[in-house]
Amino acid sequence: QLQLQESGPGLVQPSETLSLTCTVSGEFITSGFYYWGWIRQPPGKGLEWIGSLFHSGSTYYNPSLKSRVILSVDTSKKKLSLKLSSVTAADTAVYYCARPAVTSFDYFNYWGQGTLVTVSS
Amino acid sequence: QSALTQPASVSGSPGQSITISCTGTSSDIGYYNYVSWYQQHPGRAPKLLIYEVNNRPSGVSNRFSGSKSGNTASLTISGLQAEDEADYYCSSYTSTITLVFGGGTKLTVL
Repeated sequence: QLQLQESGPGLVQPSETLSLTCTVSGEFITSGFYYWGWIRQPPGKGLEWIGSLFHSGSTYYNPSLKSRVILSVDTSKKKLSLKLSSVTAADTAVYYCARPAVTSFDYFNYWGQGTLVTVSS
Repeated sequence: QSALTQPASVSGSPGQSITISCTGTSSDIGYYNYVSWYQQHPGRAPKLLIYEVNNRPSGVSNRFSGSKSGNTASLTISGLQAEDEADYYCSSYTSTITLVFGGGTKLTVL
């Protein structure tokens, strides 16, 4: 059974770069043709798609975040990573990694538990 | 890209049916049959309920159903139960190869 686990610093200084990792267990990242997604949710607010990454490395980003975000995959370490630069308080959110059960871009069956990142000095 | 439009809240009594709407544009909901719905209980990760407008993943109750007409998608929950009280989000693939979520709807079971 696929399991996803997000991790990273719970507190990031404004203007710095937020770096998160999604550890994949139960399957190899390269075991299929999947779009791995990152989604965030500010406290008390709705979901926002950050971007998706195909296992080969192709990336797709939310236009509103595209200039600040980089998604990547380290297949040998079974990890996905998200880097968001020049963060502000508006980037405070629970960050999720997710994946569909099949090769599909538009929905996610599997989700991590999420990790809360607070941007504050 | 703009978020899809959902009502902020809906409510219903146990046993009743409710419908949550999700309105987009001809570049997202109206263009593709790639609409999904998620249920989220407080403090939990979202759970996929419906994908590609009207398909249920294995294990999701058949009380949940989806449909689409034009630029508006809908989620219907029949035989409302107390455990259905949660937030519900729609999502759609877009013509620019992105995903967009709705603002979310809080369902209260009276």
